[in-house]
Amino acid sequence: KQEVTQIPAALSVPEGENLVLNCSFTDSAIYNLQWFRQDPGKGLTSLLLIQSSQREQTSGRLNASLDKSSGRSTLYIAASQPGDSATYLCAPTPAGGTSYGKLTFGQGTILTVHP
Amino acid sequence: KAGVTQTPRYLIKTRGQQVTLSCSPISGHRSVSWYQQTPGQGLQFLFEYFSETQRNKGNFPGRFSGRQFSNSRSEMNVSTLELGDSALYLCASSLYQRGTDTQYFGPGTRLTVL
Repeated sequence: KQEVTQIPAALSVPEGENLVLNCSFTDSAIYNLQWFRQDPGKGLTSLLLIQSSQREQTSGRLNASLDKSSGRSTLYIAASQPGDSATYLCAPTPAGGTSYGKLTFGQGTILTVHP
Repeated sequence: KAGVTQTPRYLIKTRGQQVTLSCSPISGHRSVSWYQQTPGQGLQFLFEYFSETQRNKGNFPGRFSGRQFSNSRSEMNVSTLELGDSALYLCASSLYQRGTDTQYFGPGTRLTVL
């Protein structure tokens, strides 16, 4: 059974700092891993998807890395802004069978960026 | 292209009642998944449908059921509501492309059981 842990649980930083959010998972048999953000009371917004064959994926100020063998992924946010304040969630997609839609989520990292 | 839509956005029910939630996926997406989000348990997978067939099911009691129609729209039903069913219910759709599948989530339905 896949278990996902995200560290830290919460993070509060001043605007402009570079941040690192960590995600670890117990079952390395994955097809890809997605990072999402969630604003309070809202749905999830997909930020990045890293295929299992990739090591990194970048989108704007966001960079995600994946080390499948060690069961770790990292989301790096450069030059943080108050608009980045949200909960960040990672979710690996299981390999094998037809489990593509069955994501397992961590508890998330609550990020607050203050001006 | 329109995103994933969910209706209704908010619902208030009483214990023992039943409820039906609806999800319309992004046009062309054939896979729809449902998740329950609560402060205590976080996001938990309920079930996934593809081409009107349930492909995966999470660890929820039989009171939770769903279906998918030929146009890929999906509904989930919860019968005999309990207080603990109060949650944000999210659905997600995807193209179902192995290895590159991005899940797109709707805004959710907030269910309150009194």
